Amino acid sequence: DTEVTQTPKHLVMGMTNKKSLKCEQHMGHRAMYWYKQKAKKPPELMFVYSYEKLSINESVPSRFSPECPNSSLLNLHLHALQPEDSALYLCASSQGLLAGALEQYFGPGTRLTVT
Amino acid sequence: GQNIDQPTEMTATEGAIVQINCTYQTSGFNGLFWYQQHAGEAPTFLSYNVLDGLEEKGRFSSFLSRSKGYSYLLLKELQMKDSASYLCAVRNTGGFKTIFGAGTRLFVKA
Repeated sequence: DTEVTQTPKHLVMGMTNKKSLKCEQHMGHRAMYWYKQKAKKPPELMFVYSYEKLSINESVPSRFSPECPNSSLLNLHLHALQPEDSALYLCASSQGLLAGALEQYFGPGTRLTVT
Repeated sequence: GQNIDQPTEMTATEGAIVQINCTYQTSGFNGLFWYQQHAGEAPTFLSYNVLDGLEEKGRFSSFLSRSKGYSYLLLKELQMKDSASYLCAVRNTGGFKTIFGAGTRLFVKA
């Protein structure tokens, strides 16, 4: 199984809503990532988890809250978002963070629209 | 600063060969990746270079020169399905960040 799954595929939410994005992988990977991608722009790293611990937070606003309940799951909790947060949110995983284990497998993404 | 440059768009003909260049300036270097991304889909891994030279994988090859901060992706025998964005990405040392270039949109015409 070389698949990273993400739910939901599409999400429309108001600025006062609370929602969560979910990501799952069963490849035994120990590093998981959240990226944000705007149209015609490259993915921008938001968070990196290694062995279920937050390793990198790229100065992301607190209205985005990541969670890694176990080695296979990664959540992104959303609260009080702004319209400019509308984007494709990509989850990725890799074997680890060390050299030789760097290839990232991406999920299909969640297309988020904030109204 | 950190910068990855690649052409915005390229057009090539089915069956031809195309080379997509990437130059980078990053704080440290721990490998360069090429990803393919079709519109509305997730990026998929194509290649990884950490040492100088050419890596070949079927119709795709990737070259790296660390001293020049330069890489290219070579696509042979182009097919219509190769129309996509090609992202050059560099992993820096120390941290665990992979920085993506803006991508090159390749259009393959009949």
